[in-house]
Amino acid sequence: GIQVEQSPPDLILQEGANSTLRCNFSDSVNNLQWFHQNPWGQLINLFYIPSGTKQNGRLSATTVATERYSLLYISSSQTTDSGVYFCAVHLSKRNSGNTPLVFGKGTRLSVIA
Amino acid sequence: DGGITQSPKYLFRKEGQNVTLSCEQNLNHDAMYWYRQDPGQGLRLIYYSQIVNDFQKGDIAEGYSVSREKKESFPLTVTSAQKNPTAFYLCASSGRPNEKLFFGSGTQLSVL
Repeated sequence: GIQVEQSPPDLILQEGANSTLRCNFSDSVNNLQWFHQNPWGQLINLFYIPSGTKQNGRLSATTVATERYSLLYISSSQTTDSGVYFCAVHLSKRNSGNTPLVFGKGTRLSVIA
Repeated sequence: DGGITQSPKYLFRKEGQNVTLSCEQNLNHDAMYWYRQDPGQGLRLIYYSQIVNDFQKGDIAEGYSVSREKKESFPLTVTSAQKNPTAFYLCASSGRPNEKLFFGSGTQLSVL
């Protein structure tokens, strides 16, 4: 099946720093989503971004589907950005049917004041 | 207030007992999902349903069962056959299978 790899696995930042999280995937996809899981376990959908670039406040994401990767940028990080960031993809192959998203293992981010 | 409600927030299971986790959504979504998350790990798919009265096994369905009798509800039963049930369980839904995915707040299941 499709492989989804996220890097780095762990990241520690000083408050105010910028960071880039990466998601590589092994096959063609028609759907890519980024999620943030806060320290209390709640998962929030940050971006639905099968291709191109989107921005939402201090966060932005870029997906280059032809090169099979996506990047999540966090600027001017705050302690509330701490948690785990997951990317998830859906295969675009004809025989993939309506199979669910495949998740990466996540990047654990700690922002220190 | 639209969303996905999971209950209870914490649940304890005794040996040999079946327990049921509730998931209700009022988003009018067709597709619903159950994921299991172990400490420090990613999400693993247990079961999913794309339409009422139909559901499919995910990657780790053994020891679990589900039903989808109503569009709004997708309860998960952790049976006594699941020998290592301690985990954080997350329910999710989307309008259609490939659309934006939304999550409930989760249920922490522990074994007594």
